[in-house]
Amino acid sequence: AQSVTQLGSHVSVSEGALVLLRCNYSSSVPPYLFWYVQYPNQGLQLLLKYTSAATLVKGINGFEAEFKKSETSFHLTKPSAHMSDAAEYFCAVSEGNSGNTPLVFGKGTRLSVIA
Amino acid sequence: NAGVTQTPKFQVLKTGQSMTLQCAQDMNHNSMYWYRQDPGMGLRLIYYSASEGTTDKGEVPNGYNVSRLNKREFSLRLESAAPSQTSVYFCASSRQGLGTSGRARETQYFGPGTRLLVL
Repeated sequence: AQSVTQLGSHVSVSEGALVLLRCNYSSSVPPYLFWYVQYPNQGLQLLLKYTSAATLVKGINGFEAEFKKSETSFHLTKPSAHMSDAAEYFCAVSEGNSGNTPLVFGKGTRLSVIA
Repeated sequence: NAGVTQTPKFQVLKTGQSMTLQCAQDMNHNSMYWYRQDPGMGLRLIYYSASEGTTDKGEVPNGYNVSRLNKREFSLRLESAAPSQTSVYFCASSRQGLGTSGRARETQYFGPGTRLLVL
């Protein structure tokens, strides 16, 4: 069964600094990987996803993530943090060769941006 | 398009009371999901419906029942609420249906959530 580990439940960065949110996955088959963002008192929305095409995936709001099979990682980065990036971020994995396996979410990382 | 809508937005129950959380989507999606979100636990799947007429248990189904009323609507029922069911509940939907190989890469679209407090 697939699983996701997000390192760090809370990350704090200064405005303009690099954002790095870590995600490692476990899957017995080639995975599909997702990053979702949740702003306060809202539902989740998709930031980006890896579906076995390019390993470097670009998403909305300047975020990107790189799929590294050898490291079983899918870390999320943004070169320069904005105050509006403060939110909770969830990494999720789905097994690529199954039509029936639901998405599995990590526990989330709360990003704070300091002025 | 409204996307995924959920009612109510907030509810307070007493232990032992019952209630139904409603979810509807207007995107003609085949699959629908119910999650609960608790601090430090991320999102955990309660039940899902891969297509109209089917439902399956997720990670934490105990104490819940679901009904896929039609393609648009997927309800979650608490028959006898317990304080442990205090949580934020999210409904989601995705396009592909049961057994479709592309389903695993489909984006899920989430509703705004229902905050439930059980006293």
